[in-house]
Amino acid sequence: ETGVTQTPRHLVMGMTNKKSLKCEQHLGHNAMYWYKQSAKKPLELMFVYSLEERVENNSVPSRFSPECPNSSHLFLHLHTLQPEDSALYLCASSQVLGRGEKLFFGSGTQLSVL
Amino acid sequence: QKEVEQDPGPLSVPEGAIVSLNCTYSNSAFQYFMWYRQYSRKGPELLMYTYSSGNKEDGRFTAQVDKSSKYISLFIRDSQPSDSATYLCASTQGGSEKLVFGKGTKLTVNP
Repeated sequence: ETGVTQTPRHLVMGMTNKKSLKCEQHLGHNAMYWYKQSAKKPLELMFVYSLEERVENNSVPSRFSPECPNSSHLFLHLHTLQPEDSALYLCASSQVLGRGEKLFFGSGTQLSVL
Repeated sequence: QKEVEQDPGPLSVPEGAIVSLNCTYSNSAFQYFMWYRQYSRKGPELLMYTYSSGNKEDGRFTAQVDKSSKYISLFIRDSQPSDSATYLCASTQGGSEKLVFGKGTKLTVNP
């Protein structure tokens, strides 16, 4: 185990549903990330939090809403998604933000939007 | 031009073969170079981490960075079926700049 736990592992939702992805890290890290992994595409950085403050939002549609209540927990709230949002959503953490930090990933949530 | 280019494969080799995985990058400011390994239905895990140019060895794995040609390589000696995974290269210039990933190369080592 990497010390980063994501739930649920799989999620199927309709376009009108609201759901949330949860991430918890047990490594004492100060930075947390959401990535999107689609087939035949590089990992796409969605959001970055450092010390619970959002420091980066890479032009992600508003139907994705992140929340970081403390340095150990990260959520991704989903609503009115589109089929093209189907992908593996990965949470990661690092000790601090920047300077080529090593990322520790969770196993991801495989999301299917019908 | 994409910042990190990686041939997606797939690559299939027999057990015991030497495997060479490669990436090229375009940003000459990149200083940190990483290889992540991702097993099926798992998240990526950091395999090798290199700062600036040169070689780094860890067991059967060797990471090589040639900044003059902007080329990143991962060599696997005596490959094993347990090495079957997707390998992702990644680079960043550090500071507040984000890590840029390649698309990943899927490797299968056949027993």
